[in-house]
Amino acid sequence: EVQLLESGGGLVQPGGSLRLSCVASGFAFSNNVMSWVRQAPGKGLEWVASISDGGDKAYYEASVKGRVTISRDNAQNTLYLQLTNVRADDTAIFYCAKTERTPRSSFYFDSWGQGALVTVSS
Amino acid sequence: ERLMTQSPATLSVSPGESATLSCRASESVSTFVAWYQLRPGQAPRLLIYDASNRATGVPARFSGSGSGTEFTLTIGSLQSEDIAVYYCQQYNNWPQTFGQGTKLEIK
Repeated sequence: EVQLLESGGGLVQPGGSLRLSCVASGFAFSNNVMSWVRQAPGKGLEWVASISDGGDKAYYEASVKGRVTISRDNAQNTLYLQLTNVRADDTAIFYCAKTERTPRSSFYFDSWGQGALVTVSS
Repeated sequence: ERLMTQSPATLSVSPGESATLSCRASESVSTFVAWYQLRPGQAPRLLIYDASNRATGVPARFSGSGSGTEFTLTIGSLQSEDIAVYYCQQYNNWPQTFGQGTKLEIK
């Protein structure tokens, strides 16, 4: 059974930084693209970032590019998301997702964690 | 960026009846559409991919159809556990984008 467990969420001040982690089990982590998807309060889902199975390629949504870094440690079956210079509109539940990559190099998400809440407020 | 518009925003259906949720793309996305279920306090769940393929473990009463710009998720014989928000997502074009969701309620 695929399991994805996020951690690292919490309250962070505007302009601050935060690192989210996602520990994966139940599948071959190092063979899969992984992603982060977020949901702001009262809003829909928004893809944030994805990373190739080997970790050598990262993809970002335009509004977060430059403030967010996705990375992974395949030896530890762990995915990360570093958020810097956070803003109020970064407040959201961040979901870790096992990702299917299509031949067109776009993504859909076949397993999800329960999410980590990030609140940006002073 | 492809916009995905879902309707209705809220759908109220009696137990045992079927529910039809719609998703429209601003331009053709072929059949590269997925549907997800978000229940309160639970991890999101992939229901449908490639417009009509059920994901592993998804009951047969969930079905997807459509191509081009018009897509439908049909839930047959509604059960209380189906109370959730449902999202469509296109992955034909970069970046992949989601609809704004349809909230399904039980009458």
